[in-house]
Amino acid sequence: GNSVTQMEGPVTLSEEAFLTINCTYTATGYPSLFWYVQYPGEGLQLLLKATKADDKGSNKGFEATYRKETTSFHLEKGSVQVSDSAVYFCALNYITGTASKLTFGTGTRLQVTL
Amino acid sequence: SAVISQKPSRDICQRGTSLTIQCQVDSQVTMMFWYRQQPGQSLTLIATANQGSEATYESGFVIDKFPISRPNLTFSTLTVSNMSPEDSSIYLCSVATGTYGYTFGSGTRLTVV
Repeated sequence: GNSVTQMEGPVTLSEEAFLTINCTYTATGYPSLFWYVQYPGEGLQLLLKATKADDKGSNKGFEATYRKETTSFHLEKGSVQVSDSAVYFCALNYITGTASKLTFGTGTRLQVTL
Repeated sequence: SAVISQKPSRDICQRGTSLTIQCQVDSQVTMMFWYRQQPGQSLTLIATANQGSEATYESGFVIDKFPISRPNLTFSTLTVSNMSPEDSSIYLCSVATGTYGYTFGSGTRLTVV
């Protein structure tokens, strides 16, 4: 079946530190991959996506590269800010019948301190 | 992308009662999705709601417990019926927008006491 595994949190970093949140997936076929972010008290927002192997998604300084050979989509940011504190979800999109659905990882809470 | 208005944002309910959650989208969409996010857990898809047809439920979720309405292309409701404390979760609606895009509502935080 389709599944997403991401590193457990919480991850606590000082401002301007380098961030990596690992994400690996299991899927049949060639899914699209996403990172979503959930700020405190809010819904999910799409952070970035990649639709095929070797694609790099990027947004707001965050990057993730679709690695088919390692079935990974790790999220990175070179210098985190306090405002990046949130829960980050890795997800994949798969097609079943005529429906397109998302499967999410368990989420990783990031806390950035001054 | 679409904008979703979801309400209520939170509620505290007595066990045995039911709560209906509403999602209004600012544009017409074919598919709407309902998710549950239990405390400290990831999102789990409850069902997919298409206008004019019965909702399609995922394994472990049944219509009697989570009846869904989809009267038109911009609106849907999810009812959590006969609630127990185990139903305490965040419930989110979502729509597919464009190619590979999904937009989420801000969620309904439900506490059952």
